Order: sequence, then C-alpha cells, then structure tokens
Amino acid sequence: DIQMTQSPSSLSASVGDRVTITCRASQSISSYLNWYQQKPGKAPKLLIYSASSLQIGVPSRFSGSGSGTDFTLTISGLQPEDFATYYCQQSYTTPRMVTFGPGTKVDIK
Amino acid sequence: EVQLLESGGGLVQPGGSLRLSCAASGFTFSSYAMSWVRQAPGKGLEWVSLISGSGGSTYYADSVKGRFTISRDNSKNTLYLQMNSLRAEDTAVYYCAKTRISSGSSNMDVWGQGTTVTVSS
Repeated sequence: DIQMTQSPSSLSASVGDRVTITCRASQSISSYLNWYQQKPGKAPKLLIYSASSLQIGVPSRFSGSGSGTDFTLTISGLQPEDFATYYCQQSYTTPRMVTFGPGTKVDIK
Repeated sequence: EVQLLESGGGLVQPGGSLRLSCAASGFTFSSYAMSWVRQAPGKGLEWVSLISGSGGSTYYADSVKGRFTISRDNSKNTLYLQMNSLRAEDTAVYYCAKTRISSGSSNMDVWGQGTTVTVSS
C-alpha cells in the first residue's frame, strides 16, 4: 500500500501569510495527487487535483506543485476562511485503495 | 445545483447491520463513479469503497472487505452502502462523494454532508 505523510501536522499563521504544506508518498505516484480542505463539522472540499490543477471555483491563492513523491500546497495570502485542515490524497492506485494523508491543521496565530 | 444527500446513519450494536443511502441530484448520476469515505471521531479521512458508473465494478478497503457492499440504483439516482457485522471501529461520519476518473487518476469533486454511524452496545 502507498503511505502518505504530511508536514507539518499543524501550524499557526496570520492573515496574509504565505503558507506551505508538504505531502510525501511512500513511492512515486506521478502527478496523481489531490488536495482537500475540511472545516470543522463540514465535508471535505476539493481544492487541487492532479497535483497542480485548480478546481473550479477555488480562489487562485491556492496552488499545488510536485510530482513523483514530493508535493506542496501553497496558500498565498492566507484569508480568515482558510483556517481549516488540509488533506492530500493519492489516486495512483485508482480505483483501488486511494489513500489520504493524515492532515495538516492550519489555525490562527 | 449538484447535490448529494446521505441518510441512514444511526446507533447500532456490534455485529449489527445498517444501510446508508446517498441521493444525488444536479448531474448525470450514471456517468460517474461514486465513493464512500469515512471519518472516525477526531481522525482523518479513510476511503471505504468505490463503484463504477454502471455499477458493474466495485472496490473496497481491506478494513471493510467482506462486510460492506456498495451498490447503486441509477434509475433512482441513489448510492447505497450495506454495512454488516459492524464493529466499534466502524464508528464514523460516512460521506458519499462524486468521483471523477480520467486517465488513470481520480478525484472526489462533490461531497455530501455526511451521516453518522455509531457502533456501540
């Protein structure tokens, strides 16, 4: 099975900050990597798919990069509504056993 | 508006059964694969199962294989998850998600609000 790790597990940031979250796969997954945002008590929301493609309706301050085993999600200019938990997910093994990273919680400094 | 609405969650004893439903609207249901994803209290996301648009192919996480069955009724635009032999560790919020599959990759672009399953005596 492909294992996903994320770092950091949590971070504190201020409005306007540039935030970077890292996701690493236990083996190469090409660009088959998605990012989701989840707010407390709510369903996850797709932000980025295929490592760097912005989902329709998602603000352009969100961007994704990487391929192989190392990926990043960047928020350029953190907004109050961005405080949430972010999950990466590999889809290399689609349709079997897609796996999520453990999440990164972004909260207010 | 594209919408998914889960139902059927509740409290069940260990060893019991429950069937979840997910009613879809706003898109051509039969054209898309569908997934179930769960989240235990205070924990991360865990993929549970996927079914193809036609219903002819199904896939399961090892943790539920042999106990859960995913199915769909395209005439009713509804997805199901039959859960048998439930264990305490199946306690979670269960989400259904519209799943786009293309060129070997996939992503879940629309999610329901979730339904809570609690397995306890």
